[in-house]
Amino acid sequence: EDQVTQSPEALRLQEGESSSLNCSYTVSGLRGLFWYRQDPGKGPEFLFTLYSAGEEKEKERLKATLTKKESFLHITAPKPEDSATYLCAVQAGSNDYKLSFGAGTTVTVRA
Amino acid sequence: EPEVTQTPSHQVTQMGQEVILRCVPISNHLYFYWYRQILGQKVEFLVSFYNNEISEKSEIFDDQFSVERPDGSNFTLKIRSTKLEDSAMYFCASSESLAETQYFGPGTRLLVL
Repeated sequence: EDQVTQSPEALRLQEGESSSLNCSYTVSGLRGLFWYRQDPGKGPEFLFTLYSAGEEKEKERLKATLTKKESFLHITAPKPEDSATYLCAVQAGSNDYKLSFGAGTTVTVRA
Repeated sequence: EPEVTQTPSHQVTQMGQEVILRCVPISNHLYFYWYRQILGQKVEFLVSFYNNEISEKSEIFDDQFSVERPDGSNFTLKIRSTKLEDSAMYFCASSESLAETQYFGPGTRLLVL
């Protein structure tokens, strides 16, 4: 069974204090790793897709990277509006297109 | 920007009642999914749907659940006889193809009393 573990569970940052979130995965045949942002009571909002080790994607203050065992989401100089839960999900296997999600990292950025 | 929509946003029902949750996927997408998230827990896969049939389902998706695409735009999830443990946020998602990004709707919060 696919295993996706995110750490830390929660992260409290000062505005401007850069940090990284970790997503480690144990899957057979990774097809893609996805990062989503989820605000309270809302649906997951797509951020990035990574397909192969060494790949990097950037969007504003966020940068996602992928290795063979884990992915990092780097938040550079965060602002209060970056406060959210960040979800990592994997798609793996030859006939398996469901997303398996981690529990998420809840980021709070204080002004 | 195209988005997935879901109705209703909230649904309260009595245990044993049937509920239908509705979704309008992004118009050019061909693959549709339902996920659920029990309060404080992970997002969990329920079912995927393509070409008018289920392509994959989880252990959660038992005989009490069914999905349908009744017309060219809607995609529905029916729970025949709700249980207390069905209380959760239900998310619909769609993708252009199997390996492409899944885009999620805002969710329906279901409360079973």
